[in-house]
Amino acid sequence: KAGVTQTPRYLIKTRGQQVTLSCSPISGHRSVSWYQQTPGQGLQFLFEYFSETQRNKGNFPGRFSGRQFSNSRSEMNVSTLELGDSALYLCASSLKSSGGGAAYNEQFFGPGTRLTVL
Amino acid sequence: AQSVTQLGSHVSVSEGALVLLRCNYSSSVPPYLFWYVQYPNQGLQLLLKYTSAATLVKGINGFEAEFKKSETSFHLTKPSAHMSDAAEYFCAVITYSSGGYNKLIFGAGTRLAVHP
Repeated sequence: KAGVTQTPRYLIKTRGQQVTLSCSPISGHRSVSWYQQTPGQGLQFLFEYFSETQRNKGNFPGRFSGRQFSNSRSEMNVSTLELGDSALYLCASSLKSSGGGAAYNEQFFGPGTRLTVL
Repeated sequence: AQSVTQLGSHVSVSEGALVLLRCNYSSSVPPYLFWYVQYPNQGLQLLLKYTSAATLVKGINGFEAEFKKSETSFHLTKPSAHMSDAAEYFCAVITYSSGGYNKLIFGAGTRLAVHP
């Protein structure tokens, strides 16, 4: 079974531009979560999508948004890029949303997209 | 609110030596705890997880961790380090909300170096 795939793997943008990152979950997985990893702030939760709905959101400005499609693939978008948005963006998929009192479902991580903002 | 603290941002051991990576947690409810490993230019791989069953948890690649409630710790150990263990290791806890389990909260990470 193929793992979580993220495209592109590397991206270079300039301040003020916008960017869209893509994540394809493991087949059959319906939940997708996004995390930002930076040397200064470490790994931080961005948001989680399940059945095309955002279930949870981290403490990030509105410039960060996402969506999920009917095939569970997810995209995240960052508008008006700032230098501080340079990071590794990781996507993780799990069988179903971890909400609703269900037992925890293991999250499987993709290789990430490294975004550099110049 | 749940949180984890990893003691030591860098740990260096000799090949064949004991590996000990420290993690302390803070949680007002019984926690679910995890250790992940990240190799250069890769995503995160789950090493092991504690989900309130056995307190001694065995994971992949010879790693294990012991949940100690009295010490609020979940330290990661491996009896004999291998060169291939060099990587960054993250301790994590999953948070609770009224809707159930939510998101992973990660520690700052510990970079493990293994010397011949």
